[in-house]
Amino acid sequence: GNSVTQMEGPVTLSEEAFLTINCTYTATGYPSLFWYVQYPGEGLQLLLKATKADDKGSNKGFEATYRKETTSFHLEKGSVQVSDSAVYFCALYTGGFKTIFGAGTRLFVKA
Amino acid sequence: GAVVSQHPSWVICKSGTSVKIECRSLDFQATTMFWYRQFPKQSLMLMATSNEGSKATYEQGVEKDKFLINHASLTLSTLTVTSAHPEDSSFYICSARDVGLAGGGGSTDTQYFGPGTRLTVL
Repeated sequence: GNSVTQMEGPVTLSEEAFLTINCTYTATGYPSLFWYVQYPGEGLQLLLKATKADDKGSNKGFEATYRKETTSFHLEKGSVQVSDSAVYFCALYTGGFKTIFGAGTRLFVKA
Repeated sequence: GAVVSQHPSWVICKSGTSVKIECRSLDFQATTMFWYRQFPKQSLMLMATSNEGSKATYEQGVEKDKFLINHASLTLSTLTVTSAHPEDSSFYICSARDVGLAGGGGSTDTQYFGPGTRLTVL
């Protein structure tokens, strides 16, 4: 079946540090891949997405590349800010069916 | 982009009462909507898939008589938590599936998420 595996958190970084949150997936067919962000007390916001192999999604300084050969979609940011503190969810969607979420990775950024 | 709204954004109720949560797609028609539940510091768990004009499909372990889902129109799905108890306190999130036409004669298939409803049962 389809599944998403994310690195466990929490991840604690100092401001301006480099961020990587690993995400790998298992899926039949050709899923679309997503990163969602959830700030404290709020709902999900779509951060970025990629719909086919080698696509790079980017938004607000975050990037992730759809790697079919390694079935990965790692999230990166070159310089994190305190305001990036949130929970990040990797997810896949095969169209017409439910979105499969990873367990979420909590990020703390210290000033 | 497409917007999905939920109402209310938060609700507090007494044990034994029923609570209705609405999910609306504001600028597209959604034949399929999904209801998720999120426990504190955990991921989202799909509860059910709501199809317009037909019965919802519930995930294993979800009580269909407790969580009533109605998808009466192409822009509205409702989740009613019946006889709520403190253990039903959670964050409920809906999403709506937008299937449309893309440029070049193709089609798009995207899910959009609502902001969530926080339910607290006293």
